Amino acid sequence: QVQLRESGPGLVEPSETLSLTCTVSRGSINGYYWNWIRQPPGKGLEWIAYIYYSGSTNYNPSLKSRGAISIDTSENHFSLKLTSVTAADTAVYYCARGSFDSSGYYLDYWGQGTPVTVSS
Amino acid sequence: SSELTQDPAVSVALGQTVRITCQGDRLRTYYASWYQQKPGQAPVLVMYGENNRPSGIPDRFSGSTSGNTASLTITGAQAEDEADYYCYSRDSSGDHYIFGTGTKVTVL
Repeated sequence: QVQLRESGPGLVEPSETLSLTCTVSRGSINGYYWNWIRQPPGKGLEWIAYIYYSGSTNYNPSLKSRGAISIDTSENHFSLKLTSVTAADTAVYYCARGSFDSSGYYLDYWGQGTPVTVSS
Repeated sequence: SSELTQDPAVSVALGQTVRITCQGDRLRTYYASWYQQKPGQAPVLVMYGENNRPSGIPDRFSGSTSGNTASLTITGAQAEDEADYYCYSRDSSGDHYIFGTGTKVTVL
C-alpha cells in the first residue's frame, strides 16, 4: 500500500524558511491531492495546504501567504516551504494523500510525521 | 473560534456505545471524515462519506450526518479505541479545509 515519508531539518531559526519534503512510494502520485497537516505540541490538527497532481493548490488562509507547496511527479514527491517562521510554527508536520470521490474528500494515507522546532 | 466544533472529551464504559459529534454549517453540504489518533502516532482514517470504513477498520465504527452535525459512533467500545478523534471537512467559506477541535475518548 501507499507509503509517505516526510523529511525536514528538525530545527529552524526564527524568521528563516522551513522546507519539508514528502516522498511517496508504492503508489502513483497521479490522480490525488497531496496535503500537509501540522500539530503543535499538545494541540489539535491543523490543515496547511494541498496540491493536486496537476499543480493546482489550496492553502489555509491562516498562513497569510507564507506557504508554498510544490510537486514533482517525476520524482514522486511534493514539498512545503513556510517562510518567516516563528515559535508558533513549532509542530509535528504530517503529509497525507487526499482522495476525492462521491464520498467527499478524505485523507486516506498519512506519513509518520516529522517534528520541527523553531528556535535560535 | 473553530468552525468544526467537537466536545473536548467523552468517556465510555468498556463494551458500551459512544457517539462523537462534530458541528459545522458546511456539514449540511459536505461530508466529514474522521481520524483516530493515538499518543505519539499519526492519525488514521476511520470513517468517510455517508458511512464508509476503510479496509481494516472494525465494523463497530459507524458514521452518520443530520443537519449540521456529523457523528462517529463506536458500538461496543474496546480498550484500543481510547484515542483522540478529529473530524475534517470544509470550512465556513466552503473553499478550504479544516479539522475539528478534537475529542478525547476514554474507555473506562
